[in-house]
Amino acid sequence: KNEVEQSPQNLTAQEGEFITINCSYSVGISALHWLQQHPGGGIVSLFMLSSGKKKHGRLIATINIQEKHSSLHITASHPRDSAVYICAVIPDDKIIFGKGTRLHILP
Amino acid sequence: DAGVIQSPRHEVTEMGQEVTLRCKPISGHNSLFWYRQTMMRGLELLIYFNNNVPIDDSGMPEDRFSAKMPNASFSTLKIQPSEPRDSAVYFCASSLTGSFVTEAFFGQGTRLTVV
Repeated sequence: KNEVEQSPQNLTAQEGEFITINCSYSVGISALHWLQQHPGGGIVSLFMLSSGKKKHGRLIATINIQEKHSSLHITASHPRDSAVYICAVIPDDKIIFGKGTRLHILP
Repeated sequence: DAGVIQSPRHEVTEMGQEVTLRCKPISGHNSLFWYRQTMMRGLELLIYFNNNVPIDDSGMPEDRFSAKMPNASFSTLKIQPSEPRDSAVYFCASSLTGSFVTEAFFGQGTRLTVV
């Protein structure tokens, strides 16, 4: 069993829809990252969470440490949100990545 | 700052050849990370440096892989000899502190193809 599971693997939605991407993990962690990988391949860090919720623009990330689960939400989705979203967890002094969720927003 | 700079962006080489990937971290950042991304395994940490010192190289797949950071502004990842299974995108990232709980900034990656 993978230590980090993301769902769904692929998601296609219409512009304007509310998007939720999930990340579940099986190890104790000190923090969790959400990353965005653009179609051109570049990776940017969106959020780093250790508890609660963070918001940046139309993006919201939440984490429940007890349930070992995090979600990334996108409100009013737009075609430019099309990307691969990657969850990464930090157990001790390591980093473990999920396989990513490929999101495609149709105009 | 121009961000993390990697070179080359693309590399095609023949099996058995030596490959050297280069990375210039963001000025002032104390930590540098090398990652590999493949379709099958996703992103994996290969090695990271704090203040130019290798801290954890347990992700380096084999002795064919080596990494150096001779100074705060330059690092190399070398594969010798290269094999087709080394084909992947290699990312370099840097951060202010030597911890995974701080934001890392990624380079654009080097797409390596070994034929």
